[in-house]
Amino acid sequence: DAGITQSPRYKITETGRQVTLMCHQTWSHSYMFWYRQDLGHGLRLIYYSAAADITDKGEVPDGYVVSRSKTENFPLTLESATRSQTSVYFCASSDRGRANEKLFFGSGTQLSVL
Amino acid sequence: AQKVTQAQTEISVVEKEDVTLDCVYETRDTTYYLFWYKQPPSGELVFLIRRNSFDEQNEISGRYSWNFQKSTSSFNFTITASQVVDSAVYFCALSEARDNYGQNFVFGPGTRLSVLP
Repeated sequence: DAGITQSPRYKITETGRQVTLMCHQTWSHSYMFWYRQDLGHGLRLIYYSAAADITDKGEVPDGYVVSRSKTENFPLTLESATRSQTSVYFCASSDRGRANEKLFFGSGTQLSVL
Repeated sequence: AQKVTQAQTEISVVEKEDVTLDCVYETRDTTYYLFWYKQPPSGELVFLIRRNSFDEQNEISGRYSWNFQKSTSSFNFTITASQVVDSAVYFCALSEARDNYGQNFVFGPGTRLSVLP
């Protein structure tokens, strides 16, 4: 039961570089989410997706791009990384995106932008 | 707009003490769901409990208990006889249906609990 797999676990990059964080789930959940975790802010939603080819902005989408060509994959791309994007990134999923459903999380990617 | 407040940034207790983590939420919806997640030092987020807005019964699970009070918009979490393994960051969250589609899952800032031996 693999669940949600995020890669890489740790990433160091430089300002201005493009970085892609990967997320793969094995449950065939319809909904997938990207959150960033910062001290004092908890988890804030970057983007979410209801199904393949359906994505929408969350609370803090600027500087990020997502795609979802397959149900199981939901990569997050930082087109030109900035220091303010140093954070821990979590991918999550839920079965049908209903309000009563819990989110299942990956292990996170710790990203440092130098 | 939906909002979750966890006023306690950090709490330290000595093992075997009881500790309560506070959570206050704001919403205009009558149907919503409240959650608690635990984030141990390893970093993953572990689901602890879900409560719907129509069920104000308190819940107990072993050393954990939750007190949901709609009158004060609070969903507090108590650990009885705390243990070192309870050391973690605890997040309270609120989930509602979005206007267009999907769920809107909003997290509080988290409370870091340190249980000292």
